[in-house]
Amino acid sequence: DSGVTQTPKHLITATGQRVTLRCSPRSGDLSVYWYQQSLDQGLQFLIQYYNGEERAKGNILERFSAQQFPDLHSELNLSSLELGDSALYFCASSPNHGQGQGINTEAFFGQGTRLTVV
Amino acid sequence: GNSVTQMEGPVTLSEEAFLTINCTYTATGYPSLFWYVQYPGEGLQLLLKATKADDKGSNKGFEATYRKETTSFHLEKGSVQVSDSAVYFCALSEGKLIFGTGTRLQVFP
Repeated sequence: DSGVTQTPKHLITATGQRVTLRCSPRSGDLSVYWYQQSLDQGLQFLIQYYNGEERAKGNILERFSAQQFPDLHSELNLSSLELGDSALYFCASSPNHGQGQGINTEAFFGQGTRLTVV
Repeated sequence: GNSVTQMEGPVTLSEEAFLTINCTYTATGYPSLFWYVQYPGEGLQLLLKATKADDKGSNKGFEATYRKETTSFHLEKGSVQVSDSAVYFCALSEGKLIFGTGTRLQVFP
């Protein structure tokens, strides 16, 4: 058990709909990362939050947004869903922002949310 | 930008065979390097890491050495088991983790 909790584990929804994925990081971790894993794209970094602020942005679509709350949990919002958004969405956490000499640290991953858009 | 390249899979081995999964990286600085493993239906688990050149990470019989001169971090295990069947990801850290495409390992009895 990594200590990172994601809910729900599975989600099936129709095209055009909006969903919210939730992540609770490990106790004490300030950074939360969101990744999308699909068969054709591999593991793609979406976005990172550190202590409530957006820290880094990757290949995140404009239809997607995220936030990190004062209690450090994070939510990933996916809207106007398309069939191609079907994927596994992982959240990961780490103690710090991971940048700078000597403070690269590993991230701990949740079990993921499997999103199926039909 | 920074990137990770790892060998295509699947890698198919018999139990007790020697395993090598190649990983090379491109980075402007001195990132930490990681191997993560994903078992079927599960999330990614950290397998091992190395934070500077010539460091050797090891765990559960797996090893990888951070080679700055060849920009490589190859994963090795002397004797694989059926339970090692999984997808293995090489990654580097530049704040966020940058992953390779993953290599599926299948071990048969």
